Amino acid sequence: DTGVSQDPRHKITKRGQNVTFRCDPISEHNRLYWYRQTLGQGPEFLTYFQNEAQLEKSRLLSDRFSAERPKGSFSTLEIQRTEQGDSAMYLCASSLTGDEQYFGPGTRLTVT
Amino acid sequence: QKEVEQDPGPLSVPEGAIVSLNCTYSNSAFQYFMWYRQYSRKGPELLMYTYSSGNKEDGRFTAQVDKSSKYISLFIRDSQPSDSATYLCAMKLTGGGNKLTFGTGTQLKVEL
Repeated sequence: DTGVSQDPRHKITKRGQNVTFRCDPISEHNRLYWYRQTLGQGPEFLTYFQNEAQLEKSRLLSDRFSAERPKGSFSTLEIQRTEQGDSAMYLCASSLTGDEQYFGPGTRLTVT
Repeated sequence: QKEVEQDPGPLSVPEGAIVSLNCTYSNSAFQYFMWYRQYSRKGPELLMYTYSSGNKEDGRFTAQVDKSSKYISLFIRDSQPSDSATYLCAMKLTGGGNKLTFGTGTQLKVEL
């Protein structure tokens, strides 16, 4: 039984570049979530998918951010024209029922 | 004012002590409550999930919910150095809400 996996685990990029992260949920989990966590804070919700449909987006998800889940399995989160304020841990979670959410190890983004 | 308040600590206790971690919340629509453990630079790990007032026990962990006071607690018995981590409370709305709202996390250190 494998958990949620995320790739890459760490990404360093220069300001203005685009980055893309991938999340593979627990198999058979049809719900997938993206959160962002900065140092000393709890995770903050970004967006939610049920199967391939993106059903909820936070106001934190500016127009530079886009997320997809094309076949209802893995998901990608892209950040265009990165800014230093985007530096954070990006966490993916999945759930079967929508109640208990299981998190991956996260992708740590550093924008220089 | 944040919807979920949690003392960031750090909290330092001797090995074998009983640890009490707490969160308060302001939104009475929160009906589902979780506790996560997060080791440094790792993703949050689900420890406890409950939706009713009262106590729920799992091994050395007890989750307590008091909806009338909008107060939740996590107790850790016989604490071990391996329990040293950040503990995050999280809550979810009833009525189909999907996102988790987290506290800031309490940093716990269990010393030998």
